[in-house]
Formats: sequence, structure tokens, C-alpha cells
Amino acid sequence: DAKTTQPTSMDCAEGRAANLPCNHSTISGNEYVYWYRQIHSQGPQYIIHGLKNNETNEMASLIITEDRKSSTLILPHATLRDTAVYYCIVVWNAGNMLTFGGGTRLMVKP
Amino acid sequence: GAVVSQHPSWVICKSGTSVKIECRSLDFQATTMFWYRQFPKQSLMLMATSNEGSKATYEQGVEKDKFLINHASLTLSTLTVTSAHPEDSSFYICSAWGVMGENEQFFGPGTRLTVL
Repeated sequence: DAKTTQPTSMDCAEGRAANLPCNHSTISGNEYVYWYRQIHSQGPQYIIHGLKNNETNEMASLIITEDRKSSTLILPHATLRDTAVYYCIVVWNAGNMLTFGGGTRLMVKP
Repeated sequence: GAVVSQHPSWVICKSGTSVKIECRSLDFQATTMFWYRQFPKQSLMLMATSNEGSKATYEQGVEKDKFLINHASLTLSTLTVTSAHPEDSSFYICSAWGVMGENEQFFGPGTRLTVL
């Protein structure tokens, strides 16, 4: 599975959009981009995933560049409860093991 | 979404004790479960892949005789930390992938093991 690169940490003001970038320049054509987050001392929580097209659900939006070498997770109106570590993972099959990198520690501030 | 539970959520034990952690898929059948370990301020590290009815596949550096995994049914996998030592103190998390091929893995809430 392709490796991902994310910033170590980010801050966001409450109520503003949080844009979390992820680079996956070695992604192959059949690999998906998955986003999970982990709130302190809890198990990871699925957020969203995509292959080529942009995706949106009740939690977030996922914007994937046309060349698929990078993506951005958007939390449209961040709340204090969105403070967590966000992991971008590239995998070809959801049933495969997920390799977690360092993730981005998002701090939402009042 | 589907629910994965773990039991216990927190265990404190003396050095040398064996500890069993259960991972259950509550509303779906999981052909594959994964066990992760997470040390403080670090990311999750995959320990092993557990397939129902077969032997687990361990990642490099993980002792299979130390961390016994049993996936005896489509809804239950267990991880037993044998003869636990303080360095085994960690946050253990399982995940499951559904037999119907859902496009996501579901994670349990984690089990915090503290070995004194």
C-alpha cells in the first residue's frame, strides 16, 4: 500500500472549516484513500473514503486531486469535539490491514 | 455503522499474569479481525491479522507465543497476552471487516493494559 504524508499538527477555530491535507504520491490506480480519526483513548473512527471522485457524507468532504497524488479532508464547521488525530490511509481493499502513519493532530480552539 | 466491542476496557495486572482480551462484532460477521497496539503518543501498530478458522498472521517482531490469538467464530477473536510484563503495558485495539464486504473496517473502543 502506498505511503502517506500528513502535517504533524494543525489548529482550527471553532465553527470554521478544517482542511487537512494528505500526500500520497505513490498511490496506484486501484487504491482507495481512507480517513479515520482517533479521539484520545478511543478506537479509530471511520470518516470517509474515496477512489477518484470527491465524496461527501454527514461528517466530512473528501477532495481528491485529479492525479490522485494528494487529497484534502474537509470538516465544514469544526467543533471542539472534532479535536483528534486524523489518519489518512491508502489501501486497495477495505479488508486489508490498515497501516497507520503519524496522522495530523487537529486542535479545534474556541 | 457496525459495532465492535472489546472486553475488558481496562485491566491492571501483576507481572507474570496472562490477560485475555475479547473482540466481538456485535451486528455483523467478521471473517477478518486485526489486532493493533498503541503506545502513548504513538500511532497504531498492527500486531496480527486474525482469520476465522485459521491461524493468525503475525507482523514482524511480534512474538506469536507471547500474543496468542484465537478467532474461533465469525463474531469473536481473542488476544491473550501471556506472562505479561510492564513493557506490555499498552492500548490494544481490534478492528473487524465484515463478511458482506463493507467498505470500511470497524474499530473497537480499545483495551488499556497496565502491568505492574
